[in-house]
Amino acid sequence: GNSVTQMEGPVTLSEEAFLTINCTYTATGYPSLFWYVQYPGEGLQLLLKATKADDKGSNKGFEATYRKETTSFHLEKGSVQVSDSAVYFCALSDPGGGADGLTFGKGTHLIIQP
Amino acid sequence: DSGVTQTPKHLITATGQRVTLRCSPRSGDLSVYWYQQSLDQGLQFLIQYYNGEERAKGNILERFSAQQFPDLHSELNLSSLELGDSALYFCASSASLGPSGEQFFGPGTRLTVL
Repeated sequence: GNSVTQMEGPVTLSEEAFLTINCTYTATGYPSLFWYVQYPGEGLQLLLKATKADDKGSNKGFEATYRKETTSFHLEKGSVQVSDSAVYFCALSDPGGGADGLTFGKGTHLIIQP
Repeated sequence: DSGVTQTPKHLITATGQRVTLRCSPRSGDLSVYWYQQSLDQGLQFLIQYYNGEERAKGNILERFSAQQFPDLHSELNLSSLELGDSALYFCASSASLGPSGEQFFGPGTRLTVL
């Protein structure tokens, strides 16, 4: 079946540091890949997505590239801010699975210190 | 604000009881998804409805059921509740079918089973 693996953290960084959160996946077909962010007490918000191999999704300074050869979709940001503190979820949607429901990783709790 | 509303925000009940969670999707969105977020299982897809019809099932227990009404709001019914059903339940909606579409998440209903 489908699965997503990501580092769980917590990941603690200083403001302006470089961020990488690793995400790898297993899927039966050719999935679309997503990063969602969850701020305390809120629902999930789409951060970025990529729908085919070599696509790069980007938003708010965050980037991730769909790498089919390594089945990865690592999230990066060049300079993090305190306001980026949240839980980040890597997810996939696999058309071969017959449903549009997302398969999520466990989530990575990111803490940015001033 | 994603435009997806969920009620109630919090629900506390006892084992063996039955509860109903309600979701109103974004205006015009035909597809509704239900997810469960728990500490041990993470975020799991439960079930999807599209324009009133069940489209796909994920890891939904037989004690759980859902429906989508003609006005497109959806309800998730949880019965014979167990302690392990305590979790955050999210509803999400999207405008169309297909794996690459963005899902918009509600703020969730926190269920506590005592």
